[in-house]
Amino acid sequence: DSGVTQTPKHLITATGQRVTLRCSPRSGDLSVYWYQQSLDQGLQFLIQYYNGEERAKGNILERFSAQQFPDLHSELNLSSLELGDSALYFCASSGVAEETQYFGPGTRLLVL
Amino acid sequence: GDSVTQMEGPVTLSEEAFLTINCTYTATGYPSLFWYVQYPGEGLQLLLKATKADDKGSNKGFEATYRKETTSFHLEKGSVQVSDSAVYFCALRRRSNYQLIWGAGTKLIIKP
Repeated sequence: DSGVTQTPKHLITATGQRVTLRCSPRSGDLSVYWYQQSLDQGLQFLIQYYNGEERAKGNILERFSAQQFPDLHSELNLSSLELGDSALYFCASSGVAEETQYFGPGTRLLVL
Repeated sequence: GDSVTQMEGPVTLSEEAFLTINCTYTATGYPSLFWYVQYPGEGLQLLLKATKADDKGSNKGFEATYRKETTSFHLEKGSVQVSDSAVYFCALRRRSNYQLIWGAGTKLIIKP
């Protein structure tokens, strides 16, 4: 158990809908990272937050947004969903030194 | 730009065989290097890491040595078990912005 929690574990929704994925980092970790894992694209870095502020942006679509709250949990919002957004979404967290990222179990999103 | 190249899978071995999964990288500066493992249906777990040239990371019988001269970080294990069946990801971490750059992953199948 990495100490990173993600909810929900599974999500099934329809095209055009909006969903919110939630992540709680390990106790004391200030950084949260979001990744998308799909069969054709592999593991893609989406975005990083550090202590509430956006730190780095990767291949995140404009339809997607994220935030990190004062209690350090983070949410990833996916809107206007398309079939191609079906994937595993992982959250990871790291400490002040940001050396090692610890991953949550992921949220499996299926868009029908 | 920075990149990580892993050998393509799947790699299929018999139990107790010797394992090597190749990983080479391209990066400016001196990145940290990581191996993560993803067991079926689970998130990514840190397997081992090395932060400077000639460092050897080891865990659960797996080893990898940071070779700056060949820009490699090959994963090895002397005797694999069925329970080692998983997908293995090599990654580098830029010192400049802490982002992880991922390889495509190598699926390992161990047959009894």
